[in-house]
Amino acid sequence: AQTVTQSQPEMSVQEAETVTLSCTYDTSESDYYLFWYKQPPSRQMILVIRQEAYKQQNATENRFSVNFQKAAKSFSLKISDSQLGDAAMYFCAFNFGNEKLTFGTGTRLTIIP
Amino acid sequence: IAGITQAPTSQILAAGRRMTLRCTQDMRHNAMYWYRQDLGLGLRLIHYSNTAGTTGKGEVPDGYSVSRANTDDFPLTLASAVPSQTSVYFCAKPGAYSGNTIYFGEGSWLTVV
Repeated sequence: AQTVTQSQPEMSVQEAETVTLSCTYDTSESDYYLFWYKQPPSRQMILVIRQEAYKQQNATENRFSVNFQKAAKSFSLKISDSQLGDAAMYFCAFNFGNEKLTFGTGTRLTIIP
Repeated sequence: IAGITQAPTSQILAAGRRMTLRCTQDMRHNAMYWYRQDLGLGLRLIHYSNTAGTTGKGEVPDGYSVSRANTDDFPLTLASAVPSQTSVYFCAKPGAYSGNTIYFGEGSWLTVV
């Protein structure tokens, strides 16, 4: 069975600083996909970034980047130049071939003005 | 959001009552999913459908049923609601151009009292 672990229930960061959210996963699959989703107070689930396991290059989307360590089964999210609008719950998720997602329990990120 | 419409947005329901959460997509994608989100547990898959006429059980299917009479609609039914089914329910589907990326509707907040 696939599992996703987010060991930081809460994190906080000063506005304009950088923060890293941790995620580890467990799978026996070799080809899979990893995701970070953001859930602001509006409750909407918003895709932040996506990483294919077969790609060695870390994905980036503007201020968001990942550190993907396949051997360690680690997939952390780095947010640079944090903004007030980044405050949200962040979920790490995983799927392979069949598209069904397995989620971690989330990290609540607070931005300190 | 992502071509998915959910209804109702929120509902308070008496225990023992029957309730159907509606989900409609406008992009005619084959796969659709229902997730529930509970505090501290992240999102968990209830049921899924890979194509019209077929459905499958996810991680937490008990107490729920789904149908897929056509490509666009994927309703989730609680035959006899119980308080433990108080949750936020998300309908989801893959993206049009990135099949392994899942996009979510706005969610339906259900409270069973």
